[in-house]
Amino acid sequence: EDKVVQSPLSLVVHEGDTVTLNCSYEVTNFRSLLWYKQEKKAPTFLFMLTSSGIEKKSGRLSSILDKKELFSILNITATQTGDSAVYLCAVEGYGQNFVFGPGTRLSVLP
Amino acid sequence: GAGVSQSPRYKVAKRGQDVALRCDPISGHVSLFWYQQALGQGPEFLTYFQNEAQLDKSGLPSDRFFAERPEGSVSTLKIQRTQQEDSAVYLCASSAGGGLAYEQYFGPGTRLTVT
Repeated sequence: EDKVVQSPLSLVVHEGDTVTLNCSYEVTNFRSLLWYKQEKKAPTFLFMLTSSGIEKKSGRLSSILDKKELFSILNITATQTGDSAVYLCAVEGYGQNFVFGPGTRLSVLP
Repeated sequence: GAGVSQSPRYKVAKRGQDVALRCDPISGHVSLFWYQQALGQGPEFLTYFQNEAQLDKSGLPSDRFFAERPEGSVSTLKIQRTQQEDSAVYLCASSAGGGLAYEQYFGPGTRLTVT
């Protein structure tokens, strides 16, 4: 059965800290892995990763995929209170079957 | 431009009632997805349309759940004889192409509470 595990499930940091969020997966015929940020509304897309070892970067956020070890990390540097959200990892298997992890709830304190 | 919209935003149903949830995708988007998100959980895939064709409905939890997209644009998720365990946020997403080669845009969701 396809599965996505995220850790930690929750995290509290102070502004300026750097955080690393983890996502590991088991999926049949992997196609892509996606990261989303979810505040008090629908998830917003952050990154899509399909190839190992290629870092995707957007401002203070970056992500990388390891298809051999079946995991991805999402890094956020110099965190701000606006980064407080649930970060969701999702994987797509063959046939457009999407599986989401439970999310990591990040709280950034001033 | 207009994003994905869903209606109603909130729905309270008595157990046993039928409900219909509507999704208006971004105009021209080929793919449409429905997800169910229980409190404190990540979204769970329900079903996927490419234009009017329902290509994957493997995530629908029971035969009480039915989705359609008859003209390849607006979609309706119908839940018959609602049960308390159906209480969740139902998210709709659309994308310009097939599958996840294209970014998914999510709607605001419909929060269904079954009493």
